[in-house]
Amino acid sequence: QVTLKESGPVLVEPTETLTLTCTVSGFSLSSAGMGVSWIRQPPGKALEWLAHIFWNDEESFSTSLKSRLTISRDTSKSQVVLTMANMDPVDTATYYCARLVGGRSGLYYFDYWGQGTLVTVSS
Amino acid sequence: QSVLTQPPSVSAAPGQKVTISCSGSRSNIGNNYVSWYQQFPRTAPKLLIYENNKRPSGIPDRFSGSKSGTSATLGITGLQTGDEADYYCGTWDNSLSVGVFGGGTKLTVL
Repeated sequence: QVTLKESGPVLVEPTETLTLTCTVSGFSLSSAGMGVSWIRQPPGKALEWLAHIFWNDEESFSTSLKSRLTISRDTSKSQVVLTMANMDPVDTATYYCARLVGGRSGLYYFDYWGQGTLVTVSS
Repeated sequence: QSVLTQPPSVSAAPGQKVTISCSGSRSNIGNNYVSWYQQFPRTAPKLLIYENNKRPSGIPDRFSGSKSGTSATLGITGLQTGDEADYYCGTWDNSLSVGVFGGGTKLTVL
């Protein structure tokens, strides 16, 4: 079955760079039409899309966070890594990775989600 | 401020029907498929509807989706107390080249 699991630090200090890893199983990061997206949710607030990477290495980033984000994939390890630079307390949130289904015009949805990992930014 | 607009909350009695709206623009809902997600407290969102009106395996047919122009609607019939959750719509925005979500709607089953 398809699973995704986020891993990374639970606490980061302001100005540090956050590195989160999404380890997937049950599907290949090279499967046409498939990708992985990162989505976050501050406590008590709405979902916020951050970035995606597709099977063909096509990437996209949140407009407001683009300068701080990178995304990469390692198909041999079945992992997708997100980095977010210059962390601030407002970045405190639960970070989710999700399998993204796309690849044809107009199609874009998340069919499997990781459990999420709460990242707190504080000194 | 979310790109897609949802009502903050809706409520209805058990057994009744409720609809949740999701309003966007031509660059997002108008030209792309809409999906819906259900989220219970302290758990990850779950796909409820994809491609406007399709249900993944295991989702009861009490849940339905529709789209017209630049708006989409999630419908839930035969409401149960177990349906109390937050519901989000989502899609792609062609102009911004980003994924977008609504601000979420909290469903209360009175």
